[in-house]
Amino acid sequence: GAVVSQHPSRVICKSGTSVKIECRSLDFQATTMFWYRQFPKQSLMLMATSNEGSKATYEQGVEKDKFLINHASLTLSTLTVTSAHPEDSSFYICSARDQGRSSYGYTFGSGTRLTVV
Amino acid sequence: DAKTTQPPSMDCAEGRAANLPCNHSTISGNEYVYWYRQIHSQGPQYIIHGLKNNETNEMASLIITEDRKSSTLILPHATLRDTAVYYCIVRVEYIINSGYALNFGKGTSLLVTP
Repeated sequence: GAVVSQHPSRVICKSGTSVKIECRSLDFQATTMFWYRQFPKQSLMLMATSNEGSKATYEQGVEKDKFLINHASLTLSTLTVTSAHPEDSSFYICSARDQGRSSYGYTFGSGTRLTVV
Repeated sequence: DAKTTQPPSMDCAEGRAANLPCNHSTISGNEYVYWYRQIHSQGPQYIIHGLKNNETNEMASLIITEDRKSSTLILPHATLRDTAVYYCIVRVEYIINSGYALNFGKGTSLLVTP
């Protein structure tokens, strides 16, 4: 139980284009989802907290106009990297928590490897 | 959330127990100890969590000292597939409000060798 599906698993895009990453909670509803970014050999860094039906909360230093987050339903949050540049190449991971099953803790998607060329 | 300290790396022979330590000397009374692991190029995976009693599940055991200032994650019979980065995270358990993210430190990179 408590499965989070993330799509795509990897994507290559050209500089200047936009890329959308989807995060779905498959068997539970998530009013809140979290987006992380991970550079090689580094730990996960929280980018933003996605709230269903309201604006996302961004961490300091994360450009909200560049990383657009939409959480239109209780099971889907999307992260759009706009006007991507090579420095945006990273591993993006989403997370959510099933409030009804606290013993599972937080569930993470399998991640999206973004390469901007 | 209380700060945690973990060794950057550890080795373990396949089939032996892997004991991963975590220091959390500033932990407060309502903070839980969580363990996650991240296999290369995958999302983190929940392992176990506890408050003050030792815990065991199908993946691992968690031993928390009586003063709760440190803990040890035990993988009883490590396999090659247990090679991963293991993160010890201390935080309050928000049962109702899930609006708080987990914050990851650098973790311990465990290498299980044949």
